[in-house]
Amino acid sequence: EVQLVESGGGLVQPGRSMKLSCAASGFTFNNYDMAWVCQAPKKGLEWVATISYDGSSTYYRDSVKGRFTISRDNAKSTLYLQMDSLRSEDTATYYCARFEGITYYFDYWGQGVMVTVSS
Amino acid sequence: DIQMTQSPASLSASLEEIVTITCKASQGIDDYLSWYQQKPGKSPQLLIYDATSLADGVPSRFSGSRSGTQYSLKISRPQVDDSGIYYCLQSYSTWTFGGGTKLELK
Repeated sequence: EVQLVESGGGLVQPGRSMKLSCAASGFTFNNYDMAWVCQAPKKGLEWVATISYDGSSTYYRDSVKGRFTISRDNAKSTLYLQMDSLRSEDTATYYCARFEGITYYFDYWGQGVMVTVSS
Repeated sequence: DIQMTQSPASLSASLEEIVTITCKASQGIDDYLSWYQQKPGKSPQLLIYDATSLADGVPSRFSGSRSGTQYSLKISRPQVDDSGIYYCLQSYSTWTFGGGTKLELK
């Protein structure tokens, strides 16, 4: 059974950093591109960042470029999101998700982890 | 960037109706379009991929279609359990979600 389990969220002050993790199991992690998707409270879904199966390619939405870093450790089957210079508008639930298919849709999602940026 | 305009933002439907939700892409996306259902407090679940293909385990009352750059999700004879928020996603150029449609079944 495919499982994606996020951790590392919580309350953080503006300008500080936080690192999210997503532990994957039930599939061959290093065969899949992965992503982070966020959802602000009572708002819609927003793609945040993508990483290729081997970590060689990464992509970010404009609002997080230069502040967030997506990475992975294939030996540990774990995806990461390092978030620096956090802003109040980064407050959201963050989901890790697995890509599938030639058209790169999300076939599995984690349960999400809440990040609150507030003083 | 590709924009996805989803409509309606919300709708209330009866169990006998056919529910249709649409997403219009700001440019051609070559069927790089998927649909997701999200229930309160839960993560999204894949319904449709490649615009028209039904995901594993999804009931056949869900279907997807395209007309030009407008994509539609149809729910035939919806069940009460189909209440939730539905999102489209384009994956042709980076990834953009539609704004969501909140479906209430009465």
